[in-house]
Amino acid sequence: EAGVVQSPRYKIIEKKQPVAFWCNPISGHNTLYWYRQNLGQGPELLIRYENEEAVDDSQLPKDRFSAERLKGVDSTLKIQPAELGDSAVYLCASRLTGPRVFGPGTRLTVL
Amino acid sequence: DQQVKQNSPSLSVQEGRISILNCDYTNSMFDYFLWYKKYPAEGPTFLISISSIKDKNEDGRFTVFLNKSAKHLSLHIVPSQPGDSAVYFCAAGSETGYALNFGKGTSLLVTP
Repeated sequence: EAGVVQSPRYKIIEKKQPVAFWCNPISGHNTLYWYRQNLGQGPELLIRYENEEAVDDSQLPKDRFSAERLKGVDSTLKIQPAELGDSAVYLCASRLTGPRVFGPGTRLTVL
Repeated sequence: DQQVKQNSPSLSVQEGRISILNCDYTNSMFDYFLWYKKYPAEGPTFLISISSIKDKNEDGRFTVFLNKSAKHLSLHIVPSQPGDSAVYFCAAGSETGYALNFGKGTSLLVTP
């Protein structure tokens, strides 16, 4: 079974630039999560999808972050404009009934 | 406010010995606990879980112990191997809910 796929793996941008991350979850996993992991911290939830519906986006900074999961399969997380404090690893995870399965993450560096 | 705490940022253990990683939580509503393992440049991978109806769950070299009264759980790795060197995250939530709270992780180094 293929795992959760994320791209790009690494991204370096200047502040105020836009950036987008893509995630393809495990086939059949209805639930998709985006997490942010800062250095030395555990993953923190940004948004959770059930199929194509965002059911928990309370931790998503909506002034600059947006996400979509069209057709309830893959998902995109966007930041516009990026700030220095957005430097982190952005993890996508998916789940059917068992534990969350995480992708490898995208390491974002904002200069 | 950190609801899941891993107070030891790092731990070093000799190969063949026991590794004990600790985790404390504050929310008494948590009834489902997991450990994830993370290698550099990879995402966390699920290791083992335990429900609050149990006080122990074992899977090969890995055993998780849960002490509900103390709001404490621990992961035991016996015997430790160099390949176990990774960051271990404790996570807690509700089995019927969807939120999962992670600790900050403990970096385990197993030396030959």
